[in-house]
Amino acid sequence: DAKTTQPNSMESNEEEPVHLPCNHSTISGTDYIHWYRQLPSQGPEYVIHGLTSNVNNRMASLAIAEDRKSSTLILHRATLRDAAVYYCILRDGRFNKFYFGSGTKLNVKP
Amino acid sequence: GAGVSQSPRYKVAKRGQDVALRCDPISGHVSLFWYQQALGQGPEFLTYFQNEAQLDKSGLPSDRFFAERPEGSVSTLKIQRTQQEDSAVYLCASRGPRLALRGETQYFGPGTRLLVL
Repeated sequence: DAKTTQPNSMESNEEEPVHLPCNHSTISGTDYIHWYRQLPSQGPEYVIHGLTSNVNNRMASLAIAEDRKSSTLILHRATLRDAAVYYCILRDGRFNKFYFGSGTKLNVKP
Repeated sequence: GAGVSQSPRYKVAKRGQDVALRCDPISGHVSLFWYQQALGQGPEFLTYFQNEAQLDKSGLPSDRFFAERPEGSVSTLKIQRTQQEDSAVYLCASRGPRLALRGETQYFGPGTRLLVL
């Protein structure tokens, strides 16, 4: 099973950009990279996903390394509401299960 | 419409008791997933349904765990003879057709927090 490695925690100042790294050195060609976030007492919430190319949406950007062994979630301007645990997940394109890691707890300071 | 709902939100069971956890997916979503999340950990996959067919149950930790989705909509996760190590949050997620907008996205419910005493 492909796995991901993330820092346990990170801290950011409000309205500054945040770069959340993820290593997935054993990724296979059929694995998609997904990012979800989870607020306390809630289920995970979709943020963004990609396969090979960088992706942008209204919530964030996803930068994928050329060898696909790492990726970075970019929050362009962190707000207090972005404080959550962020999970970098690999999804095997042939199957449907998500492999969650332990996530990065993001703390946003006002 | 509404998102994924789960009931009950909290459940306290005595060791050895059977419990049933319910998931109502988003209407029309064909795929349904169950995950188990221990305190301070990321969710771990339990099982997956496509309509009423259980296509993957590789994550179920023991034969005490059983899931069903008889009509392809509501699903129930049943745990027999609960043990203390079963204490966790049980998350349900649903997903629409792959080719639909945001077809890759899993939509999670708020979870059921199970405490086994």
